[in-house]
Order: sequence, then C-alpha cells, then structure tokens
Amino acid sequence: QKEVEQNSGPLSVPEGAIASLNCTYSDRGSQSFFWYRQYSGKSPELIMFIYSNGDKEDGRFTAQLNKASQYVSLLIRDSQPSDSATYLCAVIKAGNMLTFGGGTRLMVKP
Amino acid sequence: NAGVTQTPKFRILKIGQSMTLQCTQDMNHNYMYWYRQDPGMGLKLIYYSVGAGITDKGEVPNGYNVSRSTTEDFPLRLELAAPSQTSVYFCASSPTGVGTGELFFGEGSRLTVL
Repeated sequence: QKEVEQNSGPLSVPEGAIASLNCTYSDRGSQSFFWYRQYSGKSPELIMFIYSNGDKEDGRFTAQLNKASQYVSLLIRDSQPSDSATYLCAVIKAGNMLTFGGGTRLMVKP
Repeated sequence: NAGVTQTPKFRILKIGQSMTLQCTQDMNHNYMYWYRQDPGMGLKLIYYSVGAGITDKGEVPNGYNVSRSTTEDFPLRLELAAPSQTSVYFCASSPTGVGTGELFFGEGSRLTVL
C-alpha cells in the first residue's frame, strides 16, 4: 500500500463546476497535510495546508480532513481553465518527512 | 529575486558517467532538499540539510551524494549514472522546514541517462 494515494486522473470538469480531488494516507500518525499545484513542466507550489479535522477555506479552494478515515480532499469551486494542472497531496508523518502522492491531473474544459 | 537556482536545466548522461546538479538559494534558508520526480509520480526525497555542514538521507539516497559547505549551496552528486536515475530533479529550500509545507522550489533539472 502506498503511503499517500491519489487517483492519477485525468479528472475532467467543465468550467464553472466544482472539482473534487481526493487523497488517502496510510500512517495514522500523520499530522500535517498539504496540497500543491504543479503546472506541466513547472515546479510544485503550495496552495493549501490543513492540520485539524474539518474544512479549511481559502478563496475558491477548500481543504477537507478526516483523520478517522485517513482522508484529505481538495475542492475547487468555480473551476477555471487556469486551474488545469496536477494536484499533489503531501503528508507529514512521524519523523518530519514530507511524503507526496502521485498527483491527480485536473483538466477544466471551457 | 533569484530564489532557488538549479543548473543545468537539461542533461543527457551515458551510463557510468558522473555529474553534479547545482543548487543555490539567496534567501538565507537553513533547510534545503533534493527531490526527484519520475513521470506521473510524486516527489521522492533524496537528501536534505538543516544547515551548513549537516546533511541526511531521505527516502531514495542510493546512487547520490550531497554536501552543504555553505548556507547558499546544496549540490547533488550522481556517481556512476544508471538509467533508473532518469528523472526530473527539484531542489527546494525552506525557512522553517517542512512543517509548514512552505517549500521554495527551483525550476527543476531534467536528467536522462542512456
């Protein structure tokens, strides 16, 4: 079992729709959770982090964390073509190491 | 502001050759990292450093070496290149470590070993 799992996609949504990206992790001791966006051929950039169970909103982005289910998600409201990218879920487990999932490719169609 | 600068951006190596990927940051960050990213995969940590003179192994250190003689520079050395080392390499720095997820990445170095 991979430590951080994501559906590779592509996830295709129409412009203006809500995109839902999901991530599961295996280590129950994981403490911190991050979402990075990576445009094709570019380096990752941090867009959201969440530490506590529940929802965290930042503009059009909402991160959701459920530690009991070992599940973290990212919702993108009013999706735009410029949101088309690969979204990487990352988790800090015991030992202070950041572990990345394989990423989900999102395509927002005009 | 230069941020994190990696060189070279592209390189083709023959099996058995050696090379050094350079990484320099001008933000006075103590924490620096080397990751590799294979096609369709996430990033895997190769080595990291919490300050000048201090380095430690990450998840996939075999076949690589690093040094950190200054705060600014964190070169990654590949010895005896193998096809399995074909990848995109990202150097990153952080003011606080990975706890905040705030990593400043370089543009990446695409390495092909033939």
